[in-house]
Amino acid sequence: EADIYQTPRYLVIGTGKKITLECSQTMGHDKMYWYQQDPGMELHLIHYSYGVNSTEKGDLSSESTVSRIRTEHFPLTLESARPSHTSQYLCASSVRGSGSTGELFFGEGSRLTVL
Amino acid sequence: AQSVTQLDSQVPVFEEAPVELRCNYSSSVSVYLFWYVQYPNQGLQLLLKYLSGSTLVKGINGFEAEFNKSQTSFHLRKPSVHISDTAEYFCAVSANSGYALNFGKGTSLLVTP
Repeated sequence: EADIYQTPRYLVIGTGKKITLECSQTMGHDKMYWYQQDPGMELHLIHYSYGVNSTEKGDLSSESTVSRIRTEHFPLTLESARPSHTSQYLCASSVRGSGSTGELFFGEGSRLTVL
Repeated sequence: AQSVTQLDSQVPVFEEAPVELRCNYSSSVSVYLFWYVQYPNQGLQLLLKYLSGSTLVKGINGFEAEFNKSQTSFHLRKPSVHISDTAEYFCAVSANSGYALNFGKGTSLLVTP
């Protein structure tokens, strides 16, 4: 079983609030990712990290930011939430280096609703 | 770069009937191929993967997939589906150098009595 955890699972907040979605993994994976998934199901990569102090933007532009201070922790922050940020956010991790297949291990997701 | 096309956005099927979810990929290099399943309000769970070797890959919950290099396909099959198989199914590809996965848009499988 994958050991990757996301909190909160569900969050309903008002416009303008600052929120942080937490993601932690206990597998020692170097690579971590955030995907945004709208009701149409398609997954969009918004951030990724290849290790501590490494963060990159993904294919889909996002107003969120991420940090990677510890290997196991990859939080996502929205400074001022808007209704357009309403979505499901999925965190994932994978092994880095030789022998890596790209296989991703996913958390349960955080469903954000901004009113 | 690699890309994935899932040919059906929705597949309705009756319980105990067979099902095939289609996936085609494009790549100029050797690839690894994956199928993930997503149940409502959950993350993605790995169903099966093709890395090398036998082209017929068996996964969890009775699913299997066949890698066809000449047709660049990796279709997912199950001989007899259950109501509990109702979920979203995602095909994904990565280059064998282990870069990030590229996902298809997903196929919604709806199993009815």
